[in-house]
Amino acid sequence: NAGVTQTPKFQVLKTGQSMTLQCAQDMNHEYMSWYRQDPGMGLRLIHYSVGAGITDQGEVPNGYNVSRSTTEDFPLRLLSAAPSQTSVYFCASRRVPGTDYNEKLFFGSGTQLSVL
Amino acid sequence: GQQVMQIPQYQHVQEGEDFTTYCNSSTTLSNIQWYKQRPGGHPVFLIQLVKSGEVKKQKRLTFQFGEAKKNSSLHITATQTTDVGTYFCAVHLRAGNNRKLIWGLGTSLAVNP
Repeated sequence: NAGVTQTPKFQVLKTGQSMTLQCAQDMNHEYMSWYRQDPGMGLRLIHYSVGAGITDQGEVPNGYNVSRSTTEDFPLRLLSAAPSQTSVYFCASRRVPGTDYNEKLFFGSGTQLSVL
Repeated sequence: GQQVMQIPQYQHVQEGEDFTTYCNSSTTLSNIQWYKQRPGGHPVFLIQLVKSGEVKKQKRLTFQFGEAKKNSSLHITATQTTDVGTYFCAVHLRAGNNRKLIWGLGTSLAVNP
């Protein structure tokens, strides 16, 4: 299993450009999420999904869109990039826990995004 | 505001010294998770604690969950350079009908060889 795969690893955008960060997992996880990580701010949830066709907002959703058409894929779209979106982005997935309460999150390797 | 306090923010030790990071909440927690992120890497799950007073060990790492389920600690015995990184705690807190995973800001550990 490849686990959680994120592409690209690095990206530089100009203000106003749009792009899509890709995330795919091969573990048949129902739950997928996007985080951004900024110095001193920890990990902040952008959007999440508990299954195909279901998405919801996290802590910092503005400026980002997501969709979940399949269990495997959860792309993150920046509609009009702004310098404030310069950050490291992580995709993470897990299965919906059963009686073992196992909620272990698996993270992708991250995308470093710079918006000029 | 920050619902999960993690201290210290930074810790610099000599190789061989012990290290402890603490995670504190004002509310009772259903469970707590610990992750490690190496410099330039991604968070990697270490452990989840569920039971009051639970203590779990992974080689030189000891994890504790407080009796009141409001705090937790991660202790590393005899640190090595491979322990360098940022250690995060993460807790599930109820927000209305939903549960949210709230992250501490992390403790960055530096180890002098």
